[in-house]
Amino acid sequence: KNEVEQSPQNLTAQEGEFITINCSYSVGISALHWLQQHPGGGIVSLFMLSSGKKKHGRLIATINIQEKHSSLHITASHPRDSAVYICAVSPLAPNTGNQFYFGTGTSLTVIP
Amino acid sequence: GAGVSQSPSNKVTEKGKDVELRCDPISGHTALYWYRQSLGQGLEFLIYFQGNSAPDKSGLPSDRFSAERTGGSVSTLTIQRTQQEDSAVYLCASSPRSRGWHTGELFFGEGSRLTVL
Repeated sequence: KNEVEQSPQNLTAQEGEFITINCSYSVGISALHWLQQHPGGGIVSLFMLSSGKKKHGRLIATINIQEKHSSLHITASHPRDSAVYICAVSPLAPNTGNQFYFGTGTSLTVIP
Repeated sequence: GAGVSQSPSNKVTEKGKDVELRCDPISGHTALYWYRQSLGQGLEFLIYFQGNSAPDKSGLPSDRFSAERTGGSVSTLTIQRTQQEDSAVYLCASSPRSRGWHTGELFFGEGSRLTVL
């Protein structure tokens, strides 16, 4: 069982559409991270949040600690948003050095 | 540069050879992580360094894998007697702080793509 579940696994959208990617987790956390990985590229941290909502440009991340759920929203999507979006959590009490649990990612393709 | 630097970016080797992958974290970051990402798969934790503490090696898949971090900065991941299943992208990340239960933001390198023929 994965501690972090993302949905959908794959998502195709038309340019301009509003996109939502969901992340649910099963452990107590100190923080949740949204990461972006472009094809063949490295991984970039988009957000780190522990409560409420954060916004950066067209990206919005929200988290509900009680429901153990986070969403990443992209407004006015653009083909350059095509990437894999990864949700990761920092567990409150990691048993090992694995300080993060990662979701398997959501592959987003935005069509012009 | 100011980011996490990894080298080589690509490495092709023959089965049975040893390889070394290098990670230069962001200056001042005390936490350093190595992850492995196989094609189409998620991130697999390998090893974690925190300051001068003994590393947590619980994610290393076999004793052919080892890593060290010299002077609390540069880290080297060594894979001995490489196998084809070792082919993957090896990602290094650093973080400004980690106190057991609380982690800072992760900064990733571009990765080292290893292909074992």
